[in-house]
Amino acid sequence: DTAVSQTPKYLVTQMGNDKSIKCEQNLGHDTMYWYKQDSKKFLKIMFSYNNKELIINETVPNRFSPKSPDKAHLNLHINSLELGDSAVYFCASSLGTSGSNEQFFGPGTRLTVL
Amino acid sequence: AQSVTQLDSQVPVFEEAPVELRCNYSSSVSVYLFWYVQYPNQGLQLLLKYLSGSTLVESINGFEAEFNKSQTSFHLRKPSVHISDTAEYFCAVSEAGSYQLTFGKGTKLSVIP
Repeated sequence: DTAVSQTPKYLVTQMGNDKSIKCEQNLGHDTMYWYKQDSKKFLKIMFSYNNKELIINETVPNRFSPKSPDKAHLNLHINSLELGDSAVYFCASSLGTSGSNEQFFGPGTRLTVL
Repeated sequence: AQSVTQLDSQVPVFEEAPVELRCNYSSSVSVYLFWYVQYPNQGLQLLLKYLSGSTLVESINGFEAEFNKSQTSFHLRKPSVHISDTAEYFCAVSEAGSYQLTFGKGTKLSVIP
Protein backbone atom coordinates (compact mmCIF):
# COMPACT_ATOMS: atom_id res chain seq x y z
CA ASP A 1 0.00 0.00 0.00
CA THR A 2 1.80 3.10 -1.22
CA ALA A 3 1.14 6.06 1.06
CA VAL A 4 2.11 8.84 -1.35
CA SER A 5 2.35 7.95 -5.02
CA GLN A 6 3.44 9.97 -8.01
CA THR A 7 3.14 9.39 -11.73
CA PRO A 8 5.12 9.27 -13.85
CA LYS A 9 8.38 8.26 -12.19
CA TYR A 10 10.41 9.50 -15.16
CA LEU A 11 9.48 12.20 -17.65
CA VAL A 12 11.65 13.14 -20.62
CA THR A 13 10.38 15.89 -22.87
CA GLN A 14 11.40 18.68 -25.23
CA MET A 15 11.68 22.36 -24.37
CA GLY A 16 8.46 24.23 -24.89
CA ASN A 17 6.18 21.28 -24.16
CA ASP A 18 3.48 21.19 -21.46
CA LYS A 19 3.46 18.31 -18.98
CA SER A 20 1.70 17.22 -15.80
CA ILE A 21 2.75 15.22 -12.77
CA LYS A 22 0.12 13.56 -10.62
CA CYS A 23 0.21 12.90 -6.89
CA GLU A 24 -2.13 10.91 -4.68
CA GLN A 25 -2.02 10.13 -0.98
CA ASN A 26 -4.09 7.49 0.82
CA LEU A 27 -3.20 8.59 4.36
CA GLY A 28 -6.25 10.76 4.90
CA HIS A 29 -4.04 13.84 5.27
CA ASP A 30 -5.33 17.38 4.84
CA THR A 31 -2.14 19.02 3.63
CA MET A 32 -0.10 18.33 0.49
CA TYR A 33 3.10 19.83 -0.92
CA TRP A 34 5.25 20.04 -4.01
CA TYR A 35 9.03 20.27 -3.67
CA LYS A 36 11.74 20.67 -6.29
CA GLN A 37 15.10 18.94 -5.77
CA ASP A 38 17.87 20.24 -8.00
CA SER A 39 20.97 18.46 -9.24
CA LYS A 40 22.81 19.36 -6.04
CA LYS A 41 20.08 17.70 -3.98
CA PHE A 42 18.80 21.01 -2.61
CA LEU A 43 15.15 20.66 -1.67
CA LYS A 44 12.88 23.68 -2.02
CA ILE A 45 9.18 24.04 -1.29
CA MET A 46 7.09 25.16 -4.25
CA PHE A 47 3.45 24.92 -3.17
CA SER A 48 1.30 23.67 -0.34
CA TYR A 49 -2.43 23.01 -0.20
CA ASN A 50 -4.58 22.49 2.86
CA ASN A 51 -8.07 21.09 2.29
CA LYS A 52 -7.76 21.99 -1.39
CA GLU A 53 -6.82 25.60 -0.61
CA LEU A 54 -3.44 27.06 -1.59
CA ILE A 55 -1.49 28.11 1.52
CA ILE A 56 2.11 28.29 0.32
CA ASN A 57 3.08 29.70 -3.04
CA GLU A 58 6.80 30.31 -3.14
CA THR A 59 8.56 32.30 -5.83
CA VAL A 60 7.91 29.92 -8.68
CA PRO A 61 7.41 30.88 -12.35
CA ASN A 62 3.73 31.10 -13.21
CA ARG A 63 4.35 28.40 -15.80
CA PHE A 64 3.90 26.06 -12.82
CA SER A 65 0.28 25.59 -11.79
CA PRO A 66 -0.82 23.23 -9.02
CA LYS A 67 -4.33 21.83 -8.92
CA SER A 68 -6.02 20.00 -6.09
CA PRO A 69 -9.26 18.35 -7.21
CA ASP A 70 -9.74 16.85 -3.74
CA LYS A 71 -7.80 16.43 -0.50
CA ALA A 72 -6.14 13.23 -1.69
CA HIS A 73 -4.74 14.63 -4.93
CA LEU A 74 -2.36 17.44 -5.83
CA ASN A 75 -1.25 17.64 -9.42
CA LEU A 76 1.42 19.86 -10.95
CA HIS A 77 1.09 21.22 -14.45
CA ILE A 78 4.06 22.87 -16.16
CA ASN A 79 3.71 24.97 -19.29
CA SER A 80 6.41 25.84 -21.80
CA LEU A 81 9.07 23.68 -20.20
CA GLU A 82 12.61 25.07 -19.99
CA LEU A 83 15.98 23.40 -19.54
CA GLY A 84 16.19 24.75 -15.99
CA ASP A 85 13.04 22.86 -15.03
CA SER A 86 15.01 19.61 -15.12
CA ALA A 87 14.95 18.28 -11.57
CA VAL A 88 13.32 15.73 -9.33
CA TYR A 89 9.89 16.81 -8.12
CA PHE A 90 8.58 15.40 -4.86
CA CYS A 91 5.05 15.38 -3.61
CA ALA A 92 4.47 15.14 0.15
CA SER A 93 1.58 15.15 2.58
CA SER A 94 1.03 15.76 6.28
CA LEU A 95 -1.81 15.40 8.74
CA GLY A 96 -2.29 19.14 9.02
CA THR A 97 -0.53 22.44 8.75
CA SER A 98 1.24 22.36 12.12
CA GLY A 99 4.99 22.51 11.80
CA SER A 100 5.22 19.56 14.18
CA ASN A 101 3.59 17.22 11.68
CA GLU A 102 5.78 14.73 9.87
CA GLN A 103 5.71 15.02 6.11
CA PHE A 104 5.43 11.84 4.05
CA PHE A 105 7.15 11.94 0.68
CA GLY A 106 6.39 10.27 -2.60
CA PRO A 107 9.11 8.50 -4.62
CA GLY A 108 9.72 11.50 -6.85
CA THR A 109 9.36 12.30 -10.55
CA ARG A 110 12.60 12.84 -12.44
CA LEU A 111 11.91 15.45 -15.13
CA THR A 112 14.45 15.86 -17.92
CA VAL A 113 13.95 18.67 -20.40
CA LEU A 114 15.96 18.35 -23.62
CA ALA B 1 12.81 33.47 9.05
CA GLN B 2 14.15 30.03 9.80
CA SER B 3 17.22 28.59 8.10
CA VAL B 4 19.28 25.42 8.35
CA THR B 5 22.99 24.87 7.79
CA GLN B 6 24.48 21.46 7.28
CA LEU B 7 28.18 22.04 7.55
CA ASP B 8 29.36 18.97 5.66
CA SER B 9 28.21 18.18 2.14
CA GLN B 10 29.93 14.78 2.14
CA VAL B 11 31.05 12.49 4.96
CA PRO B 12 32.94 9.29 4.13
CA VAL B 13 33.31 6.84 7.00
CA PHE B 14 34.45 3.26 7.37
CA GLU B 15 31.96 0.55 8.26
CA GLU B 16 31.48 0.09 12.01
CA ALA B 17 33.04 3.50 12.75
CA PRO B 18 31.06 6.24 14.52
CA VAL B 19 29.67 9.20 12.60
CA GLU B 20 28.32 12.65 13.35
CA LEU B 21 26.41 14.74 10.83
CA ARG B 22 26.19 18.36 11.87
CA CYS B 23 23.18 20.61 11.67
CA ASN B 24 22.71 24.17 12.90
CA TYR B 25 19.57 26.22 12.62
CA SER B 26 18.61 29.84 12.91
CA SER B 27 15.29 30.97 14.34
CA SER B 28 13.97 33.58 16.73
CA VAL B 29 11.14 31.41 18.07
CA SER B 30 10.57 27.85 19.25
CA VAL B 31 11.32 25.22 16.66
CA TYR B 32 10.60 21.66 15.67
CA LEU B 33 13.58 19.78 14.24
CA PHE B 34 13.73 16.81 11.91
CA TRP B 35 16.21 14.51 10.23
CA TYR B 36 15.12 12.91 6.99
CA VAL B 37 17.02 10.25 5.04
CA GLN B 38 16.98 9.77 1.27
CA TYR B 39 18.26 6.47 -0.07
CA PRO B 40 19.40 6.42 -3.72
CA ASN B 41 16.55 7.02 -6.17
CA GLN B 42 13.95 7.21 -3.42
CA GLY B 43 11.89 9.83 -1.64
CA LEU B 44 12.66 11.19 1.80
CA GLN B 45 11.77 9.26 4.96
CA LEU B 46 11.61 10.65 8.47
CA LEU B 47 14.50 9.37 10.59
CA LEU B 48 13.75 11.16 13.86
CA LYS B 49 12.29 14.38 15.19
CA TYR B 50 12.41 16.72 18.16
CA LEU B 51 9.17 18.41 19.13
CA SER B 52 9.52 18.98 22.87
CA GLY B 53 10.59 17.22 26.06
CA SER B 54 13.76 15.16 26.17
CA THR B 55 16.48 16.77 24.09
CA LEU B 56 17.88 13.40 23.03
CA VAL B 57 15.83 11.58 20.43
CA GLU B 58 16.48 8.19 18.88
CA SER B 59 15.52 6.31 15.74
CA ILE B 60 14.77 2.61 15.45
CA ASN B 61 17.96 1.92 13.47
CA GLY B 62 20.48 3.25 15.96
CA PHE B 63 20.71 6.95 15.06
CA GLU B 64 20.27 9.62 17.70
CA ALA B 65 20.21 13.41 17.70
CA GLU B 66 20.43 15.93 20.49
CA PHE B 67 18.70 19.27 20.50
CA ASN B 68 21.02 21.94 21.92
CA LYS B 69 19.18 25.22 22.25
CA SER B 70 22.16 27.30 23.34
CA GLN B 71 24.20 26.18 20.36
CA THR B 72 21.17 26.04 18.03
CA SER B 73 22.25 22.61 16.89
CA PHE B 74 20.65 19.24 16.19
CA HIS B 75 23.56 16.97 15.28
CA LEU B 76 22.89 13.39 14.17
CA ARG B 77 25.08 10.57 15.50
CA LYS B 78 25.48 6.85 15.17
CA PRO B 79 28.07 4.86 17.15
CA SER B 80 28.62 2.22 14.44
CA VAL B 81 27.55 2.64 10.83
CA HIS B 82 26.57 -0.05 8.34
CA ILE B 83 26.87 -0.15 4.56
CA SER B 84 23.09 0.22 4.41
CA ASP B 85 23.35 3.65 6.06
CA THR B 86 24.82 5.07 2.85
CA ALA B 87 22.35 7.80 1.88
CA GLU B 88 21.71 11.54 1.80
CA TYR B 89 20.66 13.00 5.16
CA PHE B 90 18.63 16.19 5.44
CA CYS B 91 18.14 18.29 8.54
CA ALA B 92 14.94 20.36 8.57
CA VAL B 93 13.37 22.98 10.82
CA SER B 94 9.88 24.29 11.29
CA GLU B 95 8.99 27.20 13.55
CA ALA B 96 6.18 26.94 16.06
CA GLY B 97 3.14 28.59 14.51
CA SER B 98 4.46 28.06 10.98
CA TYR B 99 3.58 25.31 8.56
CA GLN B 100 6.66 25.66 6.41
CA LEU B 101 9.48 23.14 6.65
CA THR B 102 12.94 24.42 5.65
CA PHE B 103 15.55 21.89 4.64
CA GLY B 104 19.32 22.05 4.82
CA LYS B 105 21.35 21.28 1.71
CA GLY B 106 21.93 17.69 2.76
CA THR B 107 24.94 15.59 3.79
CA LYS B 108 25.90 12.60 1.74
CA LEU B 109 27.03 9.80 4.03
CA SER B 110 29.17 7.19 2.28
CA VAL B 111 30.02 4.08 4.27
CA ILE B 112 33.20 2.39 3.08
CA PRO B 113 33.54 -1.38 3.50
